[in-house]
Amino acid sequence: RKEVEQDPGPFNVPEGATVAFNCTYSNSASQSFFWYRQDCRKEPKLLMSVYSSGNEDGRFTAQLNRASQYISLLIRDSKLSDSATYLCVVNWGDYKLSFGAGTTVTVRA
Amino acid sequence: ETGVTQSPTHLIKTRGQQVTLRCSSQSGHNTVSWYQQALGQGPQFIFQYYREEENGRGNFPPRFSGLQFPNYSSELNVNALELDDSALYLCASSLGGTVYNSPLHFGNGTRLTVT
Repeated sequence: RKEVEQDPGPFNVPEGATVAFNCTYSNSASQSFFWYRQDCRKEPKLLMSVYSSGNEDGRFTAQLNRASQYISLLIRDSKLSDSATYLCVVNWGDYKLSFGAGTTVTVRA
Repeated sequence: ETGVTQSPTHLIKTRGQQVTLRCSSQSGHNTVSWYQQALGQGPQFIFQYYREEENGRGNFPPRFSGLQFPNYSSELNVNALELDDSALYLCASSLGGTVYNSPLHFGNGTRLTVT
């Protein structure tokens, strides 16, 4: 079983729509959670951290469910510029990050 | 503030050859991590250097090796290249040390093609 699993998508949505997707992780001892964004042929960039109580950053909302070992990302009022691959990232309290394979989102006009 | 820079941006090598990739960390960062990202996959951790010592390694064979210099820049060396080594190699710097506690700042990556 992979450490971090994501639905690869793609999720094709119209501008203004809401899109949401999940990520599951295998290690219950996981301590820190993040969403990174990666544009085509570019480096990953931190989108937001995910906190136990859930958190928002503008149109983006992240949730953590420790009991079921998944995190989620919801994007409201999608923009064309939101088209990217969203990487789910987990840290187990050591030095490294474990990345999922990514969920591709395409927002169409 | 100078970001993470990697060189070269693209590289084509033949199976069996050796390659060295370079990374300059963001100013003030003392930790450098290297990740391999194959097409359609997420980045996979190769190893991390903190204060010129390797302090963590992922599931990669010994032919993947590295160095960190006193100015915190780093090199990734891969010997006896295989076709499966074709990937985007990402360097990331942070103030992490031995425990992850700060965001990673990635460079633009080096795209290696092995033929």
